Amino acid sequence: GQSLEQPSEVTAVEGAIVQINCTYQTSGFYGLSWYQQHDGGAPTFLSYNALDGLEETGRFSSFLSRSDSYGYLLLQELQMKDSASYFCAVIEGDSNYQLIWGAGTKLIIKP
Amino acid sequence: SAVISQKPSRDICQRGTSLTIQCQVDSQVTMMFWYRQQPGQSLTLIATANQGSEATYESGFVIDKFPISRPNLTFSTLTVSNMSPEDSSIYLCSAGTRGNNYGYTFGSGTRLTVV
Repeated sequence: GQSLEQPSEVTAVEGAIVQINCTYQTSGFYGLSWYQQHDGGAPTFLSYNALDGLEETGRFSSFLSRSDSYGYLLLQELQMKDSASYFCAVIEGDSNYQLIWGAGTKLIIKP
Repeated sequence: SAVISQKPSRDICQRGTSLTIQCQVDSQVTMMFWYRQQPGQSLTLIATANQGSEATYESGFVIDKFPISRPNLTFSTLTVSNMSPEDSSIYLCSAGTRGNNYGYTFGSGTRLTVV
């Protein structure tokens, strides 16, 4: 079956670095995406990895290892506004490029 | 990336009635999807809205309950029919273009309460 696993909650302090892991088991893997969702808001796209390696976008980086079916989102220099839920999602190329979503990780940032 | 206007943003409806949610995208997109999300939970895909043809529904969702239209590449509607309190949720539309780093954009959501 299809499944994604990520921690339900992570706590960190302002200014620190946090890594949110995601392992997946899907068919027709095309790529791994990360989305951020603040309470009461809609998901917003953060990153997409189709190939192995690290992609960096400002304070956020995302990593993918296709052989290990594993990826992570790295958030640096944490700010209070980064408090949100973070979802990993797999894109399946043989299912009309729809997203298969993880359960989400709630990131709590303490001052 | 595309910008999606979704409306209504919220509604309170009587059971047994229907509500139509609209999503307008500011540019042509290849793919549009409709999701349901309970607060604090992940997104559940209802269906893929196909331009000019019937939507593709996920397991547990049927066309009679959730009819979807997509007359062109920028617009789609989802109707929640014969509503019951169990349909209370947040409904989200999403859009993207194949090959464009697959960064899907979401509408702001419709918070539906059925009483």
